[in-house]
Amino acid sequence: QKEVEQNSGPLSVPEGAIASLNCTYSDRGSQSFFWYRQYSGKSPELIMSIYSNGDKEDGRFTAQLNKASQYVSLLIRDSQPSDSATYLCAVTGNQFYFGTGTSLTVIP
Amino acid sequence: EAGVTQFPSHSVIEKGQTVTLRCDPISGHDNLYWYRRVMGKEIKFLLHFVKESKQDESGMPNNRFLAERTGGTYSTLKVQPAELEDSGVYFCASSQWARRGPGANVLTFGAGSRLTVL
Repeated sequence: QKEVEQNSGPLSVPEGAIASLNCTYSDRGSQSFFWYRQYSGKSPELIMSIYSNGDKEDGRFTAQLNKASQYVSLLIRDSQPSDSATYLCAVTGNQFYFGTGTSLTVIP
Repeated sequence: EAGVTQFPSHSVIEKGQTVTLRCDPISGHDNLYWYRRVMGKEIKFLLHFVKESKQDESGMPNNRFLAERTGGTYSTLKVQPAELEDSGVYFCASSQWARRGPGANVLTFGAGSRLTVL
């Protein structure tokens, strides 16, 4: 079983819609959860971090964490074409574990 | 503030040859990590330095891989001899802190070094 699971996509949404990205993890002891965005050929960049159950909002981004279900998600409101990228879920246990990433395309 | 820089951005070598990848972390970051992403797979941990010491090298695939961080500044990752399955993107990341718990391990990544072994 992988430490972190994500649907690889591709996920396509029209411009202005809400994009929903999901991630599950296996280590119940995980304490820190991150979403990174990676444009093609570029480095992953941190866009959201969340550490406690519930929602955390930052601009158009909302991260949701449910430790009981071992589930973390990222919502992108009012999606823009510039949001088209691969989104990586990362979880820290003994190490920093990544999912395979979900490819998002926002269609103008 | 300069970010994490990696060199080369892309290297194409033949099987059996040697390649050395370099990473310059953010100044002041004691923690340096190497990761690798093989096409279609997740980014996988290779090893972690705290200053010049190897904190965890459990992700190193085999003894063809050698990582060093002399003086606790930049790091090199040498692959010798390279095999076809070593192809992928090698990411370096650094962080100021490495403690567990909330707020720990916020990593800043370099752009990666793409290795192609023919």
